[in-house]
Amino acid sequence: NAGVTQTPKFRVLKTGQSMTLLCAQDMNHEYMYWYRQDPGMGLRLIHYSVGEGTTAKGEVPDGYNVSRLKKQNFLLGLESAAPSQTSVYFCASRTGASVGEQYFGPGTRLTVT
Amino acid sequence: AQKITQTQPGMFVQEKEAVTLDCTYDTSDPSYGLFWYKQPSSGEMIFLIYQGSYDQQNATEGRYSLNFQKARKSANLVISASQLGDSAMYFCAMREGNTGGFKTIFGAGTRLFVKA
Repeated sequence: NAGVTQTPKFRVLKTGQSMTLLCAQDMNHEYMYWYRQDPGMGLRLIHYSVGEGTTAKGEVPDGYNVSRLKKQNFLLGLESAAPSQTSVYFCASRTGASVGEQYFGPGTRLTVT
Repeated sequence: AQKITQTQPGMFVQEKEAVTLDCTYDTSDPSYGLFWYKQPSSGEMIFLIYQGSYDQQNATEGRYSLNFQKARKSANLVISASQLGDSAMYFCAMREGNTGGFKTIFGAGTRLFVKA
């Protein structure tokens, strides 16, 4: 039981390049989330999904797209990376129960130069 | 819109003493949940404790307790008998139950330093 995994762990991009971050969970969770963490700002919600085939915008969705084609996977895409997207990205998942806590992945450190 | 505020960027506590980390929240939804997470220097997010808006008693989990004051909209984390391993960032978070699509929103965090 791996929990929540994220691929890759580190990445350096040049401005304008694209990439996809993969989040996978093996706990059969309904809800999945993408956050970014910047110094002094805590975790900010980018996008989230309440089930396979559904996605919704969070607090800071601009510049990102997501897809949830399979229940266990939640992909975060950057179509044209910008230096402002340099951050640590966390994926999380949880059950559909209202009291369920989120289980987090280890994070992806992305640097855009 | 929901909002979480942690006003203490950093806190110091002597080993074996208790410490309170402040968290205030704002929501118009009567159904919500409050969470605390710990992030050590290694970076992972560790769930500590949960309090539901309808819970009558304050939540406790080992050395962690949540001082829930609903009228004041505060959900402070109390760590008793601090240990060196408690040095970390601590985040308060809230999830609205009826609105907001079950999003979980986090505060900016408090960095706790435990002194030997």
